[in-house]
Amino acid sequence: QKEVEQNSGPLSVPEGAIASLNCTYSDRVSQSFFWYRQYSGKSPELIMSIYSNGDKEDGRFTAQLNKASQYVSLLIRDSQPSDSATYLCAVNINQAGTALIFGKGTTLSVSS
Amino acid sequence: DADVTQTPRNRITKTGKRIMLECSQTKGHDRMYWYRQDPGLGLRLIYYSFDVKDINKGEISDGYSVSRQAQAKFSLSLESAIPNQTALYFCATSDTRKAYEQYFGPGTRLTVT
Repeated sequence: QKEVEQNSGPLSVPEGAIASLNCTYSDRVSQSFFWYRQYSGKSPELIMSIYSNGDKEDGRFTAQLNKASQYVSLLIRDSQPSDSATYLCAVNINQAGTALIFGKGTTLSVSS
Repeated sequence: DADVTQTPRNRITKTGKRIMLECSQTKGHDRMYWYRQDPGLGLRLIYYSFDVKDINKGEISDGYSVSRQAQAKFSLSLESAIPNQTALYFCATSDTRKAYEQYFGPGTRLTVT
């Protein structure tokens, strides 16, 4: 069964620190990887996508992908209390674009 | 703004009742999805549709049915609701050109008593 694994947390960091969220996936042929942010009681919001090995930066967010290790991570620099949310890792499971498999999410808490 | 809307936002219903959740989008996307989210289980795919004539089962389709009335409308039905269908339901859309980048509606909180 195709799986996406994340530590549930909570991950607690002080304001201004770097938060590091990790995700592993089981399907070696996966090609597309996403990070969604979900505030409590709200819907998931796409914040990062990454398709190639290496780093992709967008503002304070950096996504890192290592396909050989089947590992994707999200770094949040200069963490703010407003970053406190659950972060969902999502991975495609086939080439037809039919579906994403979501991890159960890591809850991040940024303290001021 | 182009958006994904869901109605109702909250619904309480009794076991055995038929209920329909509706999703509309103004993003112009061709692909639409229904997910449910449960504490500890994450997001799970119920059904998805690539266009009006294409409907596909997801991971947990038993007890659910869908209808794609138009490119912009995708509804989810529970024919005979049961308590373990109590969950948060999300509709999502994506464009074929960026098929995996899915955009979610605000969700419907459904309680079956």
